[in-house]
Amino acid sequence: DTAVSQTPKYLVTQMGNDKSIKCEQNLGHDTMYWYKQDSKKFLKIMFSYNNKELIINETVPNRFSPKSPDKAHLNLHINSLELGDSAVYFCASSPPTAYNEQFFGPGTRLTVL
Amino acid sequence: GEDVEQSLFLSVREGDSSVINCTYTDSSSTYLYWYKQEPGAGLQLLTYIFSNMDMKQDQRLTVLLNKKDKHLSLRIADTQTGDSAIYFCAESRSGGYNKLIFGAGTRLAVHP
Repeated sequence: DTAVSQTPKYLVTQMGNDKSIKCEQNLGHDTMYWYKQDSKKFLKIMFSYNNKELIINETVPNRFSPKSPDKAHLNLHINSLELGDSAVYFCASSPPTAYNEQFFGPGTRLTVL
Repeated sequence: GEDVEQSLFLSVREGDSSVINCTYTDSSSTYLYWYKQEPGAGLQLLTYIFSNMDMKQDQRLTVLLNKKDKHLSLRIADTQTGDSAIYFCAESRSGGYNKLIFGAGTRLAVHP
């Protein structure tokens, strides 16, 4: 299936741990994104990469570090997890069209205890 | 989102029309979008409108854009139970790099 996929779908962990979320797209897109959706469904961009280069870096704690080994993958590593990091994290990708349709993954629900 | 505002809830009867409203802030936004999120899923682009258009129709969907008031609306005709979802308005922020700013989403509930 052509899609944006994320693993894991659910992640439950203790405060202070380090965890990673992986994202892969087989759509051939050049640009990938990470979004955070909080409990009130508010969706905010965190990072964007274009061809492995960081192009958007919003005000995100430096405990969050994205890594793009190639243009089909964008992983998110989070150090020293805090309770406030609990959210659903969405990966997305987009082709270089003028209207910038973004294709979203199914999300990773992170719960920090 | 603090820059894109939407009402949070809308309840309609099956078969009626739904109108979801949004206000945005960046007058230089080139495109404005409506995304749909079904429970437990990611967002999916429903439709978009170019900023030099006033209206766009796509089957049951009608998008109206009032640039003067920075107001965007989505009308769903003959609303069905399958339309129950959260609808997000988004604007493309100027400055390049395809940055989208989303509203907080409007939860549409369709009842028989």
